[in-house]
Amino acid sequence: EPEVTQTPSHQVTQMGQEVILRCVPISNHLYFYWYRQILGQKVEFLVSFYNNEISEKSEIFDDQFSVERPDGSNFTLKIRSTKLEDSAMYFCASTPQGLRQPQHFGDGTRLSIL
Amino acid sequence: DQQVKQNSPSLSVQEGRISILNCDYTNSMFDYFLWYKKYPAEGPTFLISISSIKDKNEDGRFTVFLNKSAKHLSLHIVPSQPGDSAVYFCAASESGNQFYFGTGTSLTVIP
Repeated sequence: EPEVTQTPSHQVTQMGQEVILRCVPISNHLYFYWYRQILGQKVEFLVSFYNNEISEKSEIFDDQFSVERPDGSNFTLKIRSTKLEDSAMYFCASTPQGLRQPQHFGDGTRLSIL
Repeated sequence: DQQVKQNSPSLSVQEGRISILNCDYTNSMFDYFLWYKKYPAEGPTFLISISSIKDKNEDGRFTVFLNKSAKHLSLHIVPSQPGDSAVYFCAASESGNQFYFGTGTSLTVIP
């Protein structure tokens, strides 16, 4: 069964550094998402992306964050000038056609900010 | 932001019995709901969904019930199996794009 794949599985970064989290959504999916889960807290929506632009974003997704689909397969989340509170699991998800469909999640990238 | 709540952090059930996981929401505009299952070190896996035009959806051992007036949904698993032991999240959406997740309920099915 096709899967959403995320790399790396664990990323350790110094505070203030930039980090890029990578995702390969399922190949025929058109909508892409990033979520995060701070340890012990709920999964939180960050952003959705369709047709090479952001379709919806949460309050968490401020100017520190950006997303990009640099080629036909990858979907990336960039965090500029990381802060300690950015430490979390970051999940990528995708859906075939978008709205009101179950989202298929990757296994996440654990981001640790030192 | 507590739009979706799962008030029971954990639940233990004997194998073969029914597991009932509950979820409450506050936003009356939510019209699409999902249940996900999550194992440690893995991403959430979709289980079952329901739209607000229905009050029940069934898929094998899994049934989701929606009570719109009470803003409550529940997931029934019957019969429960040890492999069902995981964290279960409910999620709700108004736009169908952005989903709000509950904090999860850790289910343990005892053999």
